[in-house]
Amino acid sequence: GAVVSQHPSWVICKSGTSVKIECRSLDFQATTMFWYRQFPKQSLMLMATSNEGSKATYEQGVEKDKFLINHASLTLSTLTVTSAHPEDSSFYICSGRGQLTDTQYFGPGTRLTVL
Amino acid sequence: EDQVTQSPEALRLQEGESSSLNCSYTVSGLRGLFWYRQDPGKGPEFLFTLYSAGEEKEKERLKATLTKKESFLHITAPKPEDSATYLCAVHPIKAAGNKLTFGGGTRVLVKP
Repeated sequence: GAVVSQHPSWVICKSGTSVKIECRSLDFQATTMFWYRQFPKQSLMLMATSNEGSKATYEQGVEKDKFLINHASLTLSTLTVTSAHPEDSSFYICSGRGQLTDTQYFGPGTRLTVL
Repeated sequence: EDQVTQSPEALRLQEGESSSLNCSYTVSGLRGLFWYRQDPGKGPEFLFTLYSAGEEKEKERLKATLTKKESFLHITAPKPEDSATYLCAVHPIKAAGNKLTFGGGTRVLVKP
């Protein structure tokens, strides 16, 4: 199956700092990438959708200026959490979808803890 | 509005005790239905895609089926390593940006 990686797998930062999370499709070209957030014992919550070379489309209620998404190539998307606060602590998961498939393949996730 | 409901929320099984998970969906038109497995602290792992009513897919002890209103994930003679949360998601035909709509998941615990 298709493989998606995320880096880092976990990060701890101080309140007010920015954190960048990378999402890479290792063996396919991800024309569309998705970013999700997941709280304990809850399902996935879609934050934004990005197509390579285009601006991301954010879900209602997600702050565009706080969660910056860049999809610069067909294998790399980044999520930057700007001026992080403790309430941004969560499990962030990305997924990639190729051009000829409907299936989203997920990365292993990044645990963000903001102190 | 597209909706996906999974039941039960949690399921405790003895090793070898077969059971089924349900995923009921309401969409204006279905492009595809997906099953994923998620272990604690990890991202979802793709299991199956189903496209049309009557379709069935199998993988080891898992079998997914699809009707016009629901999908079942049958676990036959489960082992402790089958313990995980199983997520169902639908891809509506009219989904903007090819978004998936996820159900709440079913947490499965298989005891030896």
